[in-house]
Amino acid sequence: GNSVTQMEGPVTLSEEAFLTINCTYTATGYPSLFWYVQYPGEGLQLLLKATKADDKGSNKGFEATYRKETTSFHLEKGSVQVSDSAVYFCALPYSGGGADGLTFGKGTHLIIQP
Amino acid sequence: EAGVAQSPRYKIIEKRQSVAFWCNPISGHATLYWYQQILGQGPKLLIQFQNNGVVDDSQLPKDRFSAERLKGVDSTLKIQPAKLEDSAVYLCASSLGDRDSETQYFGPGTRLLVL
Repeated sequence: GNSVTQMEGPVTLSEEAFLTINCTYTATGYPSLFWYVQYPGEGLQLLLKATKADDKGSNKGFEATYRKETTSFHLEKGSVQVSDSAVYFCALPYSGGGADGLTFGKGTHLIIQP
Repeated sequence: EAGVAQSPRYKIIEKRQSVAFWCNPISGHATLYWYQQILGQGPKLLIQFQNNGVVDDSQLPKDRFSAERLKGVDSTLKIQPAKLEDSAVYLCASSLGDRDSETQYFGPGTRLLVL
């Protein structure tokens, strides 16, 4: 099946710093790629996604570009806020495509200090 | 729109006991998933339903875990007997199930502690 590797945390940054969370994947074909976020005390929610190579997903100031050459989907934000403190998960379909269950990375705990 | 509902939110049991979790997906969502999230790890897919049929249960430990989705709406996940390593958060998610690259909507999870 497909798999994903993401940088482990915790990652601690000051407010307004630039953020990169690395994610690389192994997959058959070119599946859709996702970033999910889990804020403290809340459930997992979709942050952004990209459905084909070179697509850029974006939401809430976060961006990630689907790079098939490097099999990567790194998450970036130009200026982080305290409210971005959360656990971020990179994910792709468990197998094949379609409305499949997802395979998640281990998660990156992001801590933003004021 | 109401989200995915799960109950109970917390459960503490002793090993070898049985436990059941309940999930009510978003209305109209045909696809339902159960995930297991062990502390410090990402969620792991256990089983996927499309309406009331099983699409994938290859990662479900079938000697002790079972799941059903009667009438294609609510679902229950059961563990019998529980082991210490089953301590985890059990997440239910749902999606419309009619096209590629769909968003999955997650419930708050049930946190299970096996003593």
